[in-house]
Amino acid sequence: EVQLVESGGGLVQPGESLRLSCAASGFTFRGYSMNWVRQAPGKGLEWLSYISSTSSTTYYADSLEGRFTISRDNAKNSLYLQMSRLRAEDTAIYFCVRDTFWSLDFWGQGTLVTVSS
Amino acid sequence: QSALTQPASVSGSPGQSITISCTGTSSDIGYFNYVSWYQQHPGKTPKLMIYDVIKRPSGVSNRFSGSRSGNTASLTISGLQAEDEAHYYCSSYASTNTLLFGGGTKVTVL
Repeated sequence: EVQLVESGGGLVQPGESLRLSCAASGFTFRGYSMNWVRQAPGKGLEWLSYISSTSSTTYYADSLEGRFTISRDNAKNSLYLQMSRLRAEDTAIYFCVRDTFWSLDFWGQGTLVTVSS
Repeated sequence: QSALTQPASVSGSPGQSITISCTGTSSDIGYFNYVSWYQQHPGKTPKLMIYDVIKRPSGVSNRFSGSRSGNTASLTISGLQAEDEAHYYCSSYASTNTLLFGGGTKVTVL
């Protein structure tokens, strides 16, 4: 069974940094591209970032303005999102999502990030 | 403002068919076959319902179908059931190497 389990969310102050992790199991992690998607409370889905299976290619939403960095460790079956200079508008549930040619076929349960003073 | 445009809400009676539109541009929906649709029930994670414009993942009811005409993709739900009441989101890969989402459509079963 495919499982994606996010962790690392929590309450942070504006301007601080946070690193999210996603532990993958039940499939050959190194064979898939991965994405991060977020959903602000009561809002729609927002794509954030993509990383290829070998980490050779990464893409980001323009709205992030270079503040987030996606990475992965295939030896640990893990995906990461390093977030810096956090703002109140970054408050959302962050989902780790498996990618198959730009269709997002398996989603984690998400981890909540709250940015507030 | 979302990159892809969806109606905010669509409703129908049980047994009816409804169609949700998703309008983009010639740089995303109109060019690439990477159009997907997701269903999200309240408090749940999104579920892939349609991918590559028209394909259905294993386990998804054949009451759900996808199509495209020009820069607009559509999701049709036939034989509407109470369990279909949810939010639906479209997505498309774009020439800017990004994935675009629609703003979401709330489907109400009357």
